[in-house]
Amino acid sequence: RKEVEQDPGPFNVPEGATVAFNCTYSNSASQSFFWYRQDCRKEPKLLMSVYSSGNEDGRFTAQLNRASQYISLLIRDSKLSDSATYLCVVNPYNFNKFYFGSGTKLNVKP
Amino acid sequence: IAGITQAPTSQILAAGRRMTLRCTQDMRHNAMYWYRQDLGLGLRLIHYSNTAGTTGKGEVPDGYSVSRANTDDFPLTLASAVPSQTSVYFCASSQGRGNSPLHFGNGTRLTVT
Repeated sequence: RKEVEQDPGPFNVPEGATVAFNCTYSNSASQSFFWYRQDCRKEPKLLMSVYSSGNEDGRFTAQLNRASQYISLLIRDSKLSDSATYLCVVNPYNFNKFYFGSGTKLNVKP
Repeated sequence: IAGITQAPTSQILAAGRRMTLRCTQDMRHNAMYWYRQDLGLGLRLIHYSNTAGTTGKGEVPDGYSVSRANTDDFPLTLASAVPSQTSVYFCASSQGRGNSPLHFGNGTRLTVT
């Protein structure tokens, strides 16, 4: 079983839509969680950390569900510029062990 | 602030040649990492360093070596390149404690012919 699993997509949505991605993780001891965005052929960039109580940054909302071992990312009012691959990253406080999901591709259409 | 600088940006290398990918960070982060990213396989850890003077093997270390002589630099060496090492290589760093995320360099696109 993979440490982190994501639906690869692609998710094809119109501008203005709300879209949500889930990511499941297998290690119940995992302590820190992140969402990264990666544009084609570029480096992954930190989108947001995910906190236990959930957190929001503008149009982006991240949630953590420890009981079911998943994190989610909600994007409201999608923009064309949101088109990218979104990576879920989990770290059980072993700094050698950042586990990456394979990424979920989002295409926002005009 | 540059963050993490990788060089070269891209390189075409003949099989059997030796190559060093350079990585420098100016954030005084303790931990540094090398990943490779291949289509369909996601990011895979090659080597890491928790602090200057220490290194460790990741998921796919064979054919690669690293050194960490100081906090800022973490070069990755391919002693004798093979075509299967054709990939995009990302260097990353983190503070190495608590809820610290990874910060990535721009990547090096390497083609071994």
